[in-house]
Amino acid sequence: EDKVVQSPLSLVVHEGDTVTLNCSYEVTNFRSLLWYKQEKKAPTFLFMLTSSGIEKKSGRLSSILDKKELSSILNITATQTGDSAIYLCAVGSYGKLTFGQGTILTVHP
Amino acid sequence: EPEVTQTPSHQVTQMGQEVILRCVPISNHLYFYWYRQILGQKVEFLVSFYNNEISEKSEIFDDQFSVERPDGSNFTLKIRSTKLEDSAMYFCASSPQGARGEKLFFGSGTQLSVL
Repeated sequence: EDKVVQSPLSLVVHEGDTVTLNCSYEVTNFRSLLWYKQEKKAPTFLFMLTSSGIEKKSGRLSSILDKKELSSILNITATQTGDSAIYLCAVGSYGKLTFGQGTILTVHP
Repeated sequence: EPEVTQTPSHQVTQMGQEVILRCVPISNHLYFYWYRQILGQKVEFLVSFYNNEISEKSEIFDDQFSVERPDGSNFTLKIRSTKLEDSAMYFCASSPQGARGEKLFFGSGTQLSVL
């Protein structure tokens, strides 16, 4: 059975802090790892990673995949209150995403 | 920016009743999906759909569930005889050609409550 585990489960920081969210996976057929941000309802796409060691960056967010360690990290620098959300990691393989349980990030002013 | 649209946003039904959840995927996308999230649990894959047929389905997607693309724009999930444990947020998603099963764009979901 495919498995995706995220840590920590929750995190409380203050604005300006840097956070690192972790995702590890055990899947039969790996094609890609994705990060989503879930605020009130719909998960919104952040990154898709397919190659090990190549960092993807979007503003204050960045992510990297380590296929040897079967893991990925999502970094957020200079956090803002608007970053408060659940961050979901998922591993995709032809029509099916297996999600982790998410990390709840709370950023206080 | 194009988005996946789901209706209704909330649906309350009695156990044993049929429900149809509706979705309008992004117009040039070719792959369509339903996922669900029971309160406090992980987002779970239900079914994927391509070229007017089911590509893959999970163990959750039993005979009580069906999907249809009745016209060129809508994508529906039908639950024939709802059970209490079907209460969940149901997300529709779509992905473009060349990104099958990977870069999914999700709708805002339909919260289904079975009483």
